[in-house]
Amino acid sequence: DTAVSQTPKYLVTQMGNDKSIKCEQNLGHDTMYWYKQDSKKFLKIMFSYNNKELIINETVPNRFSPKSPDKAHLNLHINSLELGDSAVYFCASSQMSLDTQYFGPGTRLTVL
Amino acid sequence: DQQVKQNSPSLSVQEGRISILNCDYTNSMFDYFLWYKKYPAEGPTFLISISSIKDKNEDGRFTVFLNKSAKHLSLHIVPSQPGDSAVYFCAASARTSGTYKYIFGTGTRLKVLA
Repeated sequence: DTAVSQTPKYLVTQMGNDKSIKCEQNLGHDTMYWYKQDSKKFLKIMFSYNNKELIINETVPNRFSPKSPDKAHLNLHINSLELGDSAVYFCASSQMSLDTQYFGPGTRLTVL
Repeated sequence: DQQVKQNSPSLSVQEGRISILNCDYTNSMFDYFLWYKKYPAEGPTFLISISSIKDKNEDGRFTVFLNKSAKHLSLHIVPSQPGDSAVYFCAASARTSGTYKYIFGTGTRLKVLA
């Protein structure tokens, strides 16, 4: 029974396309996050939502738009994909923003 | 600006011996530190944490040491087991706009040799 799940696990697409990555957590947590791990292995936070409200928005291009339909879901939509968007994207959740974060398995995005 | 650094990209240790993974940070506002373990094709999983009011936290075979004056923390695994082979990330957090944000290091790949 997966606590934090992401779909798809792999995503290969062409430059200029629009794609979405879905994330769901069944832990009853209030806070959810999106991280990007680039080719240099840096794991950087992109966004954080608490009870569907945006609380962290790092310096991320406007082409990235998170959407939280309810507190168990935080989806990431990316418009006009670029080569530099290729990375592994991790979703995470925590009970509160101070608490331990639980990560999903990651989505490997490859932009050709 | 890399606020959390793990200067050893990899480490090999014999089974049964001690593994010591190191992490340095630059931001004196960090007050909570964590270690995560990551297997290939999986997300990071929480291992152990320490608050800045402590200098040591132990959980079974895992102990984290914090040296605030040196802005250094380390993870000790004793005894090391082959199943410990993974990438280990340290992370630090400080209050930002009323919430805590994790800053991760780039990871150290630990290989425990049987």
